[in-house]
This record gives sequence, C-alpha cells and structure tokens, in this order.
Amino acid sequence: EVQLVQSEVEVKKPGESLKISCKGSGYSFTSYWIGWVRQMPGKGLEWMGIIYPGDSDTRYSPSFQGQVTISADTSIRTAYLQWSSLMASDTAMYYCVMGSGGPYYFDYWGQGTLVTVSS
Amino acid sequence: QSALTQPASVSGSPGQSITISCTGTNSDVGAYNRVSWFQQHPGKAPKMMIFEVSNRPSGVSNRFSGSKSGNTASLTISGLQAEDEADYYCSSHTTSSTHVFGTGTKVTVL
Repeated sequence: EVQLVQSEVEVKKPGESLKISCKGSGYSFTSYWIGWVRQMPGKGLEWMGIIYPGDSDTRYSPSFQGQVTISADTSIRTAYLQWSSLMASDTAMYYCVMGSGGPYYFDYWGQGTLVTVSS
Repeated sequence: QSALTQPASVSGSPGQSITISCTGTNSDVGAYNRVSWFQQHPGKAPKMMIFEVSNRPSGVSNRFSGSKSGNTASLTISGLQAEDEADYYCSSHTTSSTHVFGTGTKVTVL
C-alpha cells in the first residue's frame, strides 16, 4: 500500500528556518515524482514544485522559485520542503503528493503538515 | 502563470447532473491531455477523481466523468449525491513543465 507520511504540526516565528518532511513507503521511492502543494487558510490549492528523487530533477512553480527548497534523501525515502526565513504569509497546510503516472498527475496524497508562523 | 478559472460555486439537487468548467490557455489545458480533477472535503486531503482529462482511478465512482474542448476542461457529476458536496479543483500540466490548479469550485447538494 502506497503511503506518504508527513511530519507533524509546526509553530514557528517569523525569520526562523524550517524543514518539513514526507516519507514514502509501499513503492519504489526513486522511480516516482513527488510534489508539494500549499493551501493557505480558507483558500485554494497551489502547486509549489515537484522533484524526481531518482536524479533530483526539481521543477518549481514560478511563484515559489527562490522562496523554498525541495529536496529528497533516497537513503531514508524522504522528501523535504524547506524555508530559510519564514514569514507570516507562509502559514498554511502543506501537502506532499506522489505521481504514479510520471510528472503529469499526482494520485497519492500525504495527510498534510500545518505550519503556523506567528510572532 | 495564472490559476485556471473555475466557477466559484455550482449546485444541484440529488439525482441531477452538474458540470464544472476549468478554463486555461494553450500553455496549459489546451496544450496536452494532462488535466486532473480533485475532490476535497472540509478538513481532508484532496482526492484525485479524474486524470488525463477523462480517466478515473480505481475506486472512483463512474458518476464522475471528464472531458476537454480546446482550452476548457469539464468535470461532470451525474446522479448527484449528498456525499458529493465538497470543493473541486482542476489541475493541468503546463508547457513549462510545472503544474497549475484551478481556482476551485464549491459544490452544494440542495
């Protein structure tokens, strides 16, 4: 059974750094794309970017290029989303997703990680 | 890269059919047959209902169907049921090798 298990709730202050995780199981971690999706409170879904763990090919959506870093550690089957300096506007639910059909569609979703940034 | 355009809300009575549109450009929806649709209930993670315009993943009811014409994709829910009340989002792969979501549609079952 494919599972994506994400790290738990994070509460941070503006200016702090953060790295959240997504551990994949039940499939070949290096062979399928993983993506990250943001959902701000009461708002819609936004693609942040995707990564192919097999060769670390990473593609960012224009709005998130330079704002976050997506990475993966194949030895522990885990993908990451990180910020170097958080802002209040980063407060959101973040989902990791996995695509069984290449980089074109994403059918498996993690449970989400709620990030709250507040002074 | 702008979000794809969806109606903010659509409603219907039980048993009726409703259609949600998703309008993009020839750089996303119109470029490929790589449109997906997701259903999201409050407080839950989204669930893929349609991929590659018209394909249903295993386990998704055949009451859900998808189509595309030019730069507009559509999701039709037939035989509307109370459990279909949720938010729906389209998503498209783009010519920049990224993805873009639609603005989202709230479906209400009257």
